[in-house]
Amino acid sequence: SQTIHQWPATLVQPVGSPLSLECTVEGTSNPNLYWYRQAAGRGLQLLFYSVGIGQISSEVPQNLSASRPQDRQFILSSKKLLLSDSGFYLCAWSHPPGHISYNEQFFGPGTRLTVL
Amino acid sequence: SQQGEEDPQALSIQEGENATMNCSYKTSINNLQWYRQNSGRGLVHLILIRSNEREKHSGRLRVTLDTSKKSSSLLITASRAADTASYFCATAGSGNTPLVFGKGTRLSVIA
Repeated sequence: SQTIHQWPATLVQPVGSPLSLECTVEGTSNPNLYWYRQAAGRGLQLLFYSVGIGQISSEVPQNLSASRPQDRQFILSSKKLLLSDSGFYLCAWSHPPGHISYNEQFFGPGTRLTVL
Repeated sequence: SQQGEEDPQALSIQEGENATMNCSYKTSINNLQWYRQNSGRGLVHLILIRSNEREKHSGRLRVTLDTSKKSSSLLITASRAADTASYFCATAGSGNTPLVFGKGTRLSVIA
């Protein structure tokens, strides 16, 4: 069966510090991968998605970046965090096109980031 | 921009009652999905309805889709306190494009 891991679960960082959040998926190959941010009590904002190694699509211009160094690894980074980067970050995966349920997304447990 | 818009934003009901949440969207879709999120957790997929389907059931969940009105509803029957969560609709277009999520409905079921 497939599982998705995110770490850390919580993170408190000062303004201007770097960020690296990691997401890994097990039990599937060539998944689509996604990073979302959710502000308190709000909906999901898609930040980045990837359909393959090294292929990153950015949905919102900002000081965040994403990388996919391996098939089942997705990393969210920032060189200098802003106060507005605080939020709940969710990683998700879906099967690639052609799979019977390729549209369904599976979410990780999330990382709560507080920038002070 | 977000395509799905859930209504109401918040809903509070007594245990045993039915809960109905609505979702409206703007452009044509391939399918529409409903997800549930417990506080501070990731989202969990509940049900998917394709654009050529009008109604679908899964346990106590009933989803309808009206493509002419670009709207969907999620009905939870005989609600339980454990159903307390936020519920999101998400629309899928054609091709390998990401889902577009709405802002969600916060459901509180009071025991």
